[in-house]
Amino acid sequence: NAGVTQTPKFRVLKTGQSMTLLCAQDMNHEYMYWYRQDPGMGLRLIHYSVGEGTTAKGEVPDGYNVSRLKKQNFLLGLESAAPSQTSVYFCASSYREGADTQYFGPGTRLTVL
Amino acid sequence: QQQVKQSPQSLIVQKGGISIINCAYENTAFDYFPWYQQFPGKGPALLIAIRPDVSEKKEGRFTISFNKSAKQFSLHIMDSQPGDSATYFCAARAGTGFQKLVFGTGTRLLVSP
Repeated sequence: NAGVTQTPKFRVLKTGQSMTLLCAQDMNHEYMYWYRQDPGMGLRLIHYSVGEGTTAKGEVPDGYNVSRLKKQNFLLGLESAAPSQTSVYFCASSYREGADTQYFGPGTRLTVL
Repeated sequence: QQQVKQSPQSLIVQKGGISIINCAYENTAFDYFPWYQQFPGKGPALLIAIRPDVSEKKEGRFTISFNKSAKQFSLHIMDSQPGDSATYFCAARAGTGFQKLVFGTGTRLLVSP
């Protein structure tokens, strides 16, 4: 049972480049989330999904897109990266009922030059 | 708008001492208050959580104190150990079913040997 995994672990992009971050969970969780973590700002929700084929905007969705074609995967895309998107990105998942505990992945450190 | 305010930003405690981290919230609809612990290079993990029907919850050396009238809650780490050195996030959520967690800005705790 791997829990929540994220790929890649590190990435450096140039401004304007695109990339996709992959999150996978093997716990059969309904809910999945993408957060970004910046110094002094805690964890901020980018997008989330309450089930396969559904996505919704969180607190800071601009510049990002997501897809959940399979229940176990949640993809975060940056179409045209900007330096302001330099951050550590965390994926999380939780059960449907109660959704009390969110299980986080190890994170992806992204630098945009 | 910061819905959960966390302090201090950083904290240094001697081994064996008590670490105290405070959080305050504004939304009276919040009814679930978890604390997450994050070690360097790792994702956050649920440490302990409380609901407002009790004023205190204890799990080992970790205790949450909750003051509903003051809209404040705090994490106390008794007999702090160097292995407790991590970043701690408080969070809050309103209602049942799927509701987004709102995180505080985090406290970096260093327990000196």
